Amino acid sequence: QQQVKQSPQSLIVQKGGISIINCAYENTAFDYFPWYQQFPGKGPALLIAIRPDVSEKKEGRFTISFNKSAKQFSLHIMDSQPGDSATYFCAASLNDMRFGAGTRLTVKP
Amino acid sequence: SQTIHQWPATLVQPVGSPLSLECTVEGTSNPNLYWYRQAAGRGLQLLFYSVGIGQISSEVPQNLSASRPQDRQFILSSKKLLLSDSGFYLCAWSVGSPLHFGNGTRLTVT
Repeated sequence: QQQVKQSPQSLIVQKGGISIINCAYENTAFDYFPWYQQFPGKGPALLIAIRPDVSEKKEGRFTISFNKSAKQFSLHIMDSQPGDSATYFCAASLNDMRFGAGTRLTVKP
Repeated sequence: SQTIHQWPATLVQPVGSPLSLECTVEGTSNPNLYWYRQAAGRGLQLLFYSVGIGQISSEVPQNLSASRPQDRQFILSSKKLLLSDSGFYLCAWSVGSPLHFGNGTRLTVT
């Protein structure tokens, strides 16, 4: 049962562009929505997270936009850099964490 | 600060051999502990989670088992490995939110 759907599967962006990754969830009881960044051969690392009582959270170049009524949230990476090339996972949590399938982001110089 | 240690980093094992992967967490007490598997180019599949010593919940039936002999130690085992057990195994811990992952073990079954 896929509770968190993530798109796109892969994304190529030019340096300086905006990367946008989208996620949709099913369970309205989820109360925590993190994004993880994973580099090859490493474990995922928490990037940014949001709770459903706010519609947007920004940390540096990374922003989460959250739409509770649509049950969707997205990650925006402004001024994308080659060092941002990684796999990104969205997740939703209540008592345990459910992950999206991941998006492989490539930022071309 | 909290840290998580996972070893070995890479492992090549023949089909039918046993497996033992170990994970330890430092700097926190009574964490929830998790084992995830990540197939090549794919998402994270939750295998086991534990809310306390000796308490193990399994998400999917499989060839693997988990044990938690101490508060901050989590072990993933198999008596006989299958080719399909190849993958990237990740240990994680949490106290509330969020999850914190180790650097994983790359297991190749030949």
